[in-house]
Amino acid sequence: GAVVSQHPSWVICKSGTSVKIECRSLDFQATTMFWYRQFPKQSLMLMATSNEGSKATYEQGVEKDKFLINHASLTLSTLTVTSAHPEDSSFYICSAQRLAPPYNEQFFGPGTRLTVL
Amino acid sequence: SQKIEQNSEALNIQEGKTATLTCNYTNYSPAYLQWYRQDPGRGPVFLLLIRENEKEKRKERLKVTFDTTLKQSLFHITASQPADSATYLCALEILTGGGNKLTFGTGTQLKVEL
Repeated sequence: GAVVSQHPSWVICKSGTSVKIECRSLDFQATTMFWYRQFPKQSLMLMATSNEGSKATYEQGVEKDKFLINHASLTLSTLTVTSAHPEDSSFYICSAQRLAPPYNEQFFGPGTRLTVL
Repeated sequence: SQKIEQNSEALNIQEGKTATLTCNYTNYSPAYLQWYRQDPGRGPVFLLLIRENEKEKRKERLKVTFDTTLKQSLFHITASQPADSATYLCALEILTGGGNKLTFGTGTQLKVEL
C-alpha cells in the first residue's frame, strides 16, 4: 500500500520560533501534496496545495509568509511555521496524491501535533 | 454559502447493529465523495469513494450511497463492532487543474457499545 510519513509526530516550541514539518511519500511519487490543519473537535481544513517544482497554492485566509511550503522532490514536502504563536497550535496533516488513472488517490500522513508555548 | 454537514452529535449504537451516518452538502458539485475514518490523534484513513454517477458502493461491511439530487450521502456499517468506534468524515472532492481538492465535513463520532 501507499504510505505517507510525517516528522516529527509532535513538537513543542516557544513563541516566536520556527518549526519545520516534513511529509514524505515512502513508496510512491507524489506530484501533488496537500497540507491540512485540524483544531480540536473540528474538521480538517485545507491550507495549501503543493506541486513539485512550483510554488504552493494557498487557500483563502492562509498566510503564505507564515506557512512556508517547499516541495523540492516527488517524495518530500515541508511545511515551516515561521514565528509561531500559541494560536498556531494545532494538528497538521499532510496528504500525498498518487497518480494512478483514472483516479488519483490521496494518502494521508499520521499528523504532527504542534504546541506553541 | 458552501456547507458540508454531518451529524454533530455522537452516535452510540449497540454491537451488531447497523450504524448509519449522514453527510449533506450545499452549493457543491463534487466529482467524488469519500468517507474516511479518523482515530484520536491520527490522520484520516480512506474507506470508500463513490463517483457522482454511482448510486451505491460496497466494501465488506461498509456501504455508501450517493444522491446528487438530494445532495446527500449515507454511510452504513453493518454488524458493527467496538473496533468501529471512531470519528467518520465525509469529504467532497472537487476537480481542479492543480490537484483534486478535498473539503471535509466536521465528522460524526461513532461509539459501538457491547
